[in-house]
Amino acid sequence: DTAVSQTPKYLVTQMGNDKSIKCEQNLGHDTMYWYKQDSKKFLKIMFSYNNKELIINETVPNRFSPKSPDKAHLNLHINSLELGDSAVYFCASSQPRTSAAEQFFGPGTRLTVL
Amino acid sequence: GENVEQHPSTLSVQEGDSAVIKCTYSDSASNYFPWYKQELGKGPQLIIDIRSNVGEKKDQRIAVTLNKTAKHFSLHITETQPEDSAVYFCAAVPGGSYIPTFGRGTSLIVHP
Repeated sequence: DTAVSQTPKYLVTQMGNDKSIKCEQNLGHDTMYWYKQDSKKFLKIMFSYNNKELIINETVPNRFSPKSPDKAHLNLHINSLELGDSAVYFCASSQPRTSAAEQFFGPGTRLTVL
Repeated sequence: GENVEQHPSTLSVQEGDSAVIKCTYSDSASNYFPWYKQELGKGPQLIIDIRSNVGEKKDQRIAVTLNKTAKHFSLHITETQPEDSAVYFCAAVPGGSYIPTFGRGTSLIVHP
């Protein structure tokens, strides 16, 4: 009964490859997010989707393309991976009615680009 | 946009001591201030939050205080236990938005 799940948990790949990370939430939330956490633990929002529509794209290279087939899923595809893409990527969801909406995070995907 | 500063970056205490983590924010329109705890290998999880119409909130051993005038808010953990060891993030959310701006995190280490 995991609320927000991500696969894979670990991803090791070579520079230049294309990879995807999948995210699913079973909370019935309308809004989903992708965050990047760097090696210093800084959490930075990348994208926000509301009911399958892109709401926020925070200066992320266009090599990153989120896709939301339905409101329970938000996948992240990354083209031409670079060394600097190595980080932990978190998917999250919330049901915002006001600004006071708890974010529910997935367990994270640790991406290592060699 | 909002900017959240968090201090200290690392905090080491003995079991039973208190721990205080402080944050400041820049956008006076922010009205919701959640705190998240991230245990090793896991995603952040909300532990307590405070809204701008409240000055203090407590939940067992944790409490948050908010000074809107100074744009400061703090997390207080009393009687710390080893299982409190984690990275703690403060965040601020402006009214009209639901996207939090996170501080850079505080790594709390509680020594038995």
